[in-house]
Amino acid sequence: EAQVTQNPRYLITVTGKKLTVTCSQNMNHEYMSWYRQDPGLGLRQIYYSMNVEVTDKGDVPEGYKVSRKEKRNFPLILESPSPNQTSLYFCASSSLNQPQHFGDGTRLSIL
Amino acid sequence: KQEVTQIPAALSVPEGENLVLNCSFTDSAIYNLQWFRQDPGKGLTSLLLIQSSQREQTSGRLNASLDKSSGRSTLYIAASQPGDSATYLCAEGGSNDYKLSFGAGTTVTVRA
Repeated sequence: EAQVTQNPRYLITVTGKKLTVTCSQNMNHEYMSWYRQDPGLGLRQIYYSMNVEVTDKGDVPEGYKVSRKEKRNFPLILESPSPNQTSLYFCASSSLNQPQHFGDGTRLSIL
Repeated sequence: KQEVTQIPAALSVPEGENLVLNCSFTDSAIYNLQWFRQDPGKGLTSLLLIQSSQREQTSGRLNASLDKSSGRSTLYIAASQPGDSATYLCAEGGSNDYKLSFGAGTTVTVRA
């Protein structure tokens, strides 16, 4: 089954404790992206990757890092999480001219 | 930066009524326009993708149109059902096709 898998689905952690949210897709898509969704602000892009070893900043990249060492994986790293990064995070992937496929989301709470 | 607007923010209709959801965008160099559905606590599901060279796309009871000159897209859902209750988001694909700018969504409630 074609899918984008995010882990964990839920996480409660504390300020400053490094965390990684994994994202994996099985569709051989070249493009992957991370979004955060906040009430009243909608979906905003954090980082995206056009292919392996190619990443670029989206609209709200501050406080986040990404890497794309393999085509199927695109982890999101919060080196020193802060409460303003409490949000619902989505990973997505696609190929050129095709709809984006989204994961089920990761709900992060940073205390 | 592209701006995407969806009005109204919420809509409630009786079952069987046709739904009309509006999306406006500011980027005249739009590459494509996508409509998504989001159920509470879930991810986004792609409904329709309209390339900039197309005027509309159809899938079952859904039809989406694209008018680049006026900067508008409309999603029509015929004969609405309670299962259509969800938030519908439109997203504009800009110059490189991959980057999407999302509207805030329209939350639809279909009353049985």
